[in-house]
Amino acid sequence: KNEVEQSPQNLTAQEGEFITINCSYSVGISALHWLQQHPGGGIVSLFMLSSGKKKHGRLIATINIQEKHSSLHITASHPRDSAVYICAVLNNNDMRFGAGTRLTVKP
Amino acid sequence: GAVVSQHPSWVICKSGTSVKIECRSLDFQATTMFWYRQFPKQSLMLMATSNEGSKATYEQGVEKDKFLINHASLTLSTLTVTSAHPEDSSFYICSAQISGANVLTFGAGSRLTVL
Repeated sequence: KNEVEQSPQNLTAQEGEFITINCSYSVGISALHWLQQHPGGGIVSLFMLSSGKKKHGRLIATINIQEKHSSLHITASHPRDSAVYICAVLNNNDMRFGAGTRLTVKP
Repeated sequence: GAVVSQHPSWVICKSGTSVKIECRSLDFQATTMFWYRQFPKQSLMLMATSNEGSKATYEQGVEKDKFLINHASLTLSTLTVTSAHPEDSSFYICSAQISGANVLTFGAGSRLTVL
């Protein structure tokens, strides 16, 4: 079993839909990152969470430390949100990644 | 905001040559930098953790003599792929961790093609 499990692996949505991507982990962490990777390869760290909830524009990330689970939500999805979303957990200098969720938002 | 510059963004080399990739934090000090490798349509794979002034910590299965990492200053880490072979062709990405924080900033990546 992977230490970081992400679901779904692939997700296709219509523009405007509410998107949820889930991440469960089995290791102790000091922080969890949600990363976005566009087709060109560049990676952006969307959120860094150690507890609770964060919001940035249409993006919301939550984490439940007790349940070792985090979710990334996208409200009013748009085709430009199409990317691979990766959950990464950090424990001191040790980092583990989920397999990624490939999101395609159709107009 | 924090910016990480990675260079070169793409490189093509002949088999047997060595290639150096640089990762610079432009406006912050990074005591820790991470190097990743990504195969097509796969997630990131952590190769090594690089701490300024000390030897890098390599993940299991990553050859330290093949992938030389140097973190000589608080703003620069380099990855050298030695005696490159076609199977080393991949997308290499670095990230830098701001000193004392869990914040990560990623470089744009370097696409290596070994002929």
